[in-house]
Amino acid sequence: GAGVSQSPSNKVTEKGKDVELRCDPISGHTALYWYRQSLGQGLEFLIYFQGNSAPDKSGLPSDRFSAERTGGSVSTLTIQRTQQEDSAVYLCASSPRNSQETQYFGPGTRLLVL
Amino acid sequence: SQKIEQNSEALNIQEGKTATLTCNYTNYSPAYLQWYRQDPGRGPVFLLLIRENEKEKRKERLKVTFDTTLKQSLFHITASQPADSATYLCALVRSNDYKLSFGAGTTVTVRA
Repeated sequence: GAGVSQSPSNKVTEKGKDVELRCDPISGHTALYWYRQSLGQGLEFLIYFQGNSAPDKSGLPSDRFSAERTGGSVSTLTIQRTQQEDSAVYLCASSPRNSQETQYFGPGTRLLVL
Repeated sequence: SQKIEQNSEALNIQEGKTATLTCNYTNYSPAYLQWYRQDPGRGPVFLLLIRENEKEKRKERLKVTFDTTLKQSLFHITASQPADSATYLCALVRSNDYKLSFGAGTTVTVRA
């Protein structure tokens, strides 16, 4: 079946602009995660959605970052007033409720803030 | 502070040899540890999971060990092949949690 998809695959924006990154999880997966991968660094947890529960936003680096998940499926990560240090690969992952130990990652969105 | 360290950024080995990667952690009590493979331009792909009460796990040519006393996991690729060339990431998860905390990864290059 289809895996996790993310769009756009690449995004170049100017400092100060807002960007929206989209994630389509695997159908039926209740858990959805956003991570950020900066050059030469490990993946950094951003936010976690599980079903209808309140999301775990503990990893969001600033209030310029927000995410929502509509209808328990598609998720959008929004970065407002982008800064150059926001440049990174943003990865989305999903997992099924009965097997949350394994996360299935999408290909990522490469964001470059000029 | 909590830290997850993986050995040297790059590992170059000859085809057929065994690659051994290390993952050390401090100030962490993981419920389990995972290893992922990441190819350039792609997201990580899950390989193996080992729990805190397990010492060793195997999957085909892969072997993972977990020593909670040393706070270390070793990841072995036996009979390595050029197709094994990739970056390998270790990730830890605490009890009652699902957030993955990743190391920076080790890039393995297998020469034919």
